[in-house]
Amino acid sequence: GAVVSQHPSWVICKSGTSVKIECRSLDFQATTMFWYRQFPKQSLMLMATSNEGSKATYEQGVEKDKFLINHASLTLSTLTVTSAHPEDSSFYICSARDGSTYEQYFGPGTRLTVT
Amino acid sequence: AQTVTQSQPEMSVQEAETVTLSCTYDTSENNYYLFWYKQPPSRQMILVIRQEAYKQQNATENRFSVNFQKAAKSFSLKISDSQLGDTAMYFCAFMSYNAGNMLTFGGGTRLMVKP
Repeated sequence: GAVVSQHPSWVICKSGTSVKIECRSLDFQATTMFWYRQFPKQSLMLMATSNEGSKATYEQGVEKDKFLINHASLTLSTLTVTSAHPEDSSFYICSARDGSTYEQYFGPGTRLTVT
Repeated sequence: AQTVTQSQPEMSVQEAETVTLSCTYDTSENNYYLFWYKQPPSRQMILVIRQEAYKQQNATENRFSVNFQKAAKSFSLKISDSQLGDTAMYFCAFMSYNAGNMLTFGGGTRLMVKP
């Protein structure tokens, strides 16, 4: 089946620094990718939708200047958390939609800890 | 906007027994998909089963089956012959044909299978 990778799987950064998370579709072209945030013991909350070659669409309440999303190719989307604060510590999950079907495939997630 | 509700935060079942997880949703759409995802301790989201709203027949995948009641907007998941490996968070999700393939998740049900 289709595989989506995320890198890194776990990152620790200091408050005030920026961190980039990559999401790659390994064996299919993803015209659309989604970024989710998940707090412990809670559900997935959609942060933004990114379409290849265009600006991301952010959900209400998500700061687009803080969570920068770039979908520069059909296999790669990146999420950059800028000027990270401890409250940004969370589990971030991406999913990618196969361009030829409606199927979505999830990455394994990235645990971000801001100290 | 669509909403998905899972009214059982936690459930437990004895190994080899059957358990049913509940899900209700609210939408004004007529064409949509419903999904059940499993999130084990690894936190990788795994698709368990999907149902297309226009299909009257309930979907089945081995030990997993759904009871889809479109008029009642209900979509429950039945797990037969529960196994220890079924221990996980289970999320019900809704996707409209017309909403850019965006998934709306329920709050989740934590299932514990006891030996």
